[in-house]
Amino acid sequence: AQTVTQSQPEMSVQEAETVTLSCTYDTSESDYYLFWYKQPPSRQMILVIRQEAYKQQNATENRFSVNFQKAAKSFSLKISDSQLGDAAMYFCASDGGSQGNLIFGKGTKLSVKP
Amino acid sequence: DAGITQSPRHKVTETGTPVTLRCHQTENHRYMYWYRQDPGHGLRLIHYSYGVKDTDKGEVSDGYSVSRSKTEDFLLTLESATSSQTSVYFCAAWGTGNSPLHFGNGTRLTVT
Repeated sequence: AQTVTQSQPEMSVQEAETVTLSCTYDTSESDYYLFWYKQPPSRQMILVIRQEAYKQQNATENRFSVNFQKAAKSFSLKISDSQLGDAAMYFCASDGGSQGNLIFGKGTKLSVKP
Repeated sequence: DAGITQSPRHKVTETGTPVTLRCHQTENHRYMYWYRQDPGHGLRLIHYSYGVKDTDKGEVSDGYSVSRSKTEDFLLTLESATSSQTSVYFCAAWGTGNSPLHFGNGTRLTVT
């Protein structure tokens, strides 16, 4: 069975600093996507960043970047220059080769201190 | 997000009553999904659809049924609601190709 593990239930970062959220996954597929979703208190699920497994280059979206280590099955999210609006639950997910049938981690609650 | 509307947004119901949640999308996406979100579990897939009248079970399908009679609508039914089905339910949709999965804003269901 595919699994996604987020080992940090909660994290805290000072405004303007950098924080890294960890995620490991397990899949037998060779081609798949990995995702980070943000869920603010509004409950909306917002796609932060997406990585295709066959692409060796790490995905970046403005202040958000990933460190994708395929062999280690690791997919961490780095948030640079943290802002108060980054405070939210962050979910790591894998599609295991079937987009939409996502397997989610349990989430990391990120707090940003002013 | 991406034209996905869930209704109702909140619902309180009693144990043993039937409940139907609705998901409506305006983007003509082929694939639609129902997830439930519970503390400590993240999101888990209940059922999904890969076309009109084509559906399949997800990880936590027991106690739920779905129907998709039109591309734009995907219904989730709890035939006889139980307290363990108290949760936040998310609908999602995906087209094909390079587009990501898009979520609705969720329905908070409380079964008393």
